[in-house]
Amino acid sequence: DGGITQSPKYLFRKEGQNVTLSCEQNLNHDAMYWYRQDPGQGLRLIYYSQIVNDFQKGDIAEGYSVSREKKESFPLTVTSAQKNPTAFYLCASSIGGQGRNEQFFGPGTRLTVL
Amino acid sequence: GDSVTQMEGPVTLSEEAFLTINCTYTATGYPSLFWYVQYPGEGLQLLLKATKADDKGSNKGFEATYRKETTSFHLEKGSVQVSDSAVYFCALSFGNKLTFGTGTQLKVEL
Repeated sequence: DGGITQSPKYLFRKEGQNVTLSCEQNLNHDAMYWYRQDPGQGLRLIYYSQIVNDFQKGDIAEGYSVSREKKESFPLTVTSAQKNPTAFYLCASSIGGQGRNEQFFGPGTRLTVL
Repeated sequence: GDSVTQMEGPVTLSEEAFLTINCTYTATGYPSLFWYVQYPGEGLQLLLKATKADDKGSNKGFEATYRKETTSFHLEKGSVQVSDSAVYFCALSFGNKLTFGTGTQLKVEL
């Protein structure tokens, strides 16, 4: 089955630690995205990538980093510089970066900072 | 910048009631419009979309019409079921960015 996988589903981190969230897709999509979801605030774009080895900052990139070394993979690192990292993180992909293309979402990773 | 405004929830309905969730948008160009649904603990699934004015998107009994004159994309369903209980997000896409509303929680009771 084609789709997007995110791991782990739940992640706990101590303050001051970096942590990497995995996102893999087998849909052969060029574009991939990371969103953060907080209660009552909808989804906010962290980073996106339209092609391998290229990515752009979204609306809330501070304290996060990404890489896009392979078409299938777009890992997100939450660094210790992110002041309030506890949230639900969603990865998505689309055929291309054009607006009318549907974005497909993974099941999400819930990160809790202890 | 581009933005999406949705009615606040939660919206609580009895099974078989009529549903409307209002969505209006602000955009500088001509965006594509989407409704996504999120079930508890899961990611988002596309429910329906419309890419130009007067288009009607429909899926699973849900409908929404792209109204350019009122900059709206209201979601409707004639008869809701308990299984429709979820959070619904309106979104617009222009260029390479998807902008979401804050979501509306729907609760359907027997």
